[in-house]
Amino acid sequence: DAGVIQSPRHEVTEMGQEVTLRCKPISGHNSLFWYRQTMMRGLELLIYFNNNVPIDDSGMPEDRFSAKMPNASFSTLKIQPSEPRDSAVYFCASSLGDNSNQPQHFGDGTRLSIL
Amino acid sequence: DAKTTQPNSMESNEEEPVHLPCNHSTISGTDYIHWYRQLPSQGPEYVIHGLTSNVNNRMASLAIAEDRKSSTLILHRATLRDAAVYYCILRPYTGGFKTIFGAGTRLFVKA
Repeated sequence: DAGVIQSPRHEVTEMGQEVTLRCKPISGHNSLFWYRQTMMRGLELLIYFNNNVPIDDSGMPEDRFSAKMPNASFSTLKIQPSEPRDSAVYFCASSLGDNSNQPQHFGDGTRLSIL
Repeated sequence: DAKTTQPNSMESNEEEPVHLPCNHSTISGTDYIHWYRQLPSQGPEYVIHGLTSNVNNRMASLAIAEDRKSSTLILHRATLRDAAVYYCILRPYTGGFKTIFGAGTRLFVKA
């Protein structure tokens, strides 16, 4: 079975550019999560969706970050404009249902470097 | 939100059992205990979870203290592939996903 698929795997861009990260959740999963991982702050939840609807975006650092889930099989995380402090590994995860008895399945992440 | 405390690192010999401890003294009655691990350059991988009773699966066992203030992840026979960072996290049942990943325990496995 295909797991969570993220693209691109690596992204290097200059500050001020728009960055779009993509995620395809596991088929049939109706909850989707975006995380960011840095050495300083560890793994942080940015936003999560349930049935394509954003439920909690309190982890989104600022207005430069936005996330969408136009359908059950696709989500994007956009940063505009990007800044060097946004450099991190961004993970997408999905789960079957949004209750705590369901495990989350993570993608391999997008390593983002903003120069 | 309830938090967990884990040792920064542990070391094990290959083929021996490993007991990874986690303290969660402020756990609430409806918090699930989840364990994930993260291998180098990969996303976190689900290992096991439980509420009150001990749990076993093909990857590991989870022993939960009677008062639920601590738990132990047990790898029955460590292999070199088990070298990873192990995260113990609490997932509130009462809606929301304020899953807080701490620093975890980095497990080193010696051949």
